[in-house]
Amino acid sequence: GAGVSQSPRYKVTKRGQDVALRCDPISGHVSLYWYRQALGQGPEFLTYFNYEAQQDKSGLPNDRFSAERPEGSISTLTIQRTEQRDSAMYRCASSPLFLGPRGGEQYFGPGTRLTVT
Amino acid sequence: QKEVEQNSGPLSVPEGAIASLNCTYSDRGSQSFFWYRQYSGKSPELIMFIYSNGDKEDGRFTAQLNKASQYVSLLIRDSQPSDSATYLCAVIISGGYNKLIFGAGTRLAVHP
Repeated sequence: GAGVSQSPRYKVTKRGQDVALRCDPISGHVSLYWYRQALGQGPEFLTYFNYEAQQDKSGLPNDRFSAERPEGSISTLTIQRTEQRDSAMYRCASSPLFLGPRGGEQYFGPGTRLTVT
Repeated sequence: QKEVEQNSGPLSVPEGAIASLNCTYSDRGSQSFFWYRQYSGKSPELIMFIYSNGDKEDGRFTAQLNKASQYVSLLIRDSQPSDSATYLCAVIISGGYNKLIFGAGTRLAVHP
């Protein structure tokens, strides 16, 4: 079956522009996660949703970053007024709704490579 | 102190040997521990998870957890060149629900 998909796969934007990154989770997966990964580092948690509810946004770096999942399926991560330091790989993951300790069993998408010039 | 620490490597082992990858975590209340594998240029993929003290085996992989020492490890038996990748340790800290905290990863190189 289809895995997690993300679009665009690559995005080059100029500093100050807004960008929207899209994530389409595995069908039926209730939980959706956004991460940012710098080269040579592990993924860094940004935010996550159960259904359409944003459960934790503690990892969003500042108020230029926001995310939504209005119908409990596709999610969009928006970065306003992009800065060069926002350049990174942005990864989305999804999982069935786990109660208890299994919440870390997540399936990752291919990522969106964002470059801010 | 980082919440999840791993030696960045590279860890170089000969084909057929046992590769031992280690991870320490700072939150004593952490309950869930995961190992992800990430090939160069690809996404992380889950290979093992462990919740209880002791060992958990799955094929050539064994995860070991010692909560008293705040230490989790991954052993890969009969290492193959195809095992060459970065191995990411991830933890759900206490009160973190589904929030995964990743280490920086250890790069493993298995040479023929």
